[in-house]
Amino acid sequence: KAGVTQTPRYLIKTRGQQVTLSCSPISGHRSVSWYQQTPGQGLQFLFEYFSETQRNKGNFPGRFSGRQFSNSRSEMNVSTLELGDSALYLCASSPGQGGRTDTQYFGPGTRLTVL
Amino acid sequence: AQSVTQPDIHITVSEGASLELRCNYSYGATPYLFWYVQSPGQGLQLLLKYFSGDTLVQGIKGFEAEFKRSQSSFNLRKPSVHWSDAAEYFCAVGANAGNMLTFGGGTRLMVKP
Repeated sequence: KAGVTQTPRYLIKTRGQQVTLSCSPISGHRSVSWYQQTPGQGLQFLFEYFSETQRNKGNFPGRFSGRQFSNSRSEMNVSTLELGDSALYLCASSPGQGGRTDTQYFGPGTRLTVL
Repeated sequence: AQSVTQPDIHITVSEGASLELRCNYSYGATPYLFWYVQSPGQGLQLLLKYFSGDTLVQGIKGFEAEFKRSQSSFNLRKPSVHWSDAAEYFCAVGANAGNMLTFGGGTRLMVKP
């Protein structure tokens, strides 16, 4: 089975712009979670989508949003970019059944740099 | 709310030596525990997980971890480290409410030849 894929792998934006990142989960997986990784804050949970619905949300401002499509692919959007949004954004997929914690499989990440 | 502490930010061991990475968690119920490894510029690879049952779990690459409820710990061990094990290791805890992991700060492992 193909793993989790994320596009693009690298992105450079300027402050005030917006950005959209994409994640394709492992075939058959219905849950997609997003994490932000920075040197200062470490790995932090952004949100989880399951069957096109946001099931969990972390403590991030409303500038961070996401969605999931009927084929389980997910996108996250960051509007009005700030320098502090520079990070590695990781997507993880899991089967998602039953609402309990599953094993999550991570993609390679998208490295976002905000100038 | 759950939390994870990895007390050692950096660890250096000699190749062939044994390894133990510490992880302490805080969570009210039975936790779902994970260890992931990350090489530079890469995503996270699952090493092993504990959901229930036997408290000593085996993972990939010769790693194992032991869940100790009384100590709220889930330490990762390997009997003989290889140079390719140099990476950053993350312990994580999940609640029984969907896929929302809380990660520790990570331990960076360096391996001396």
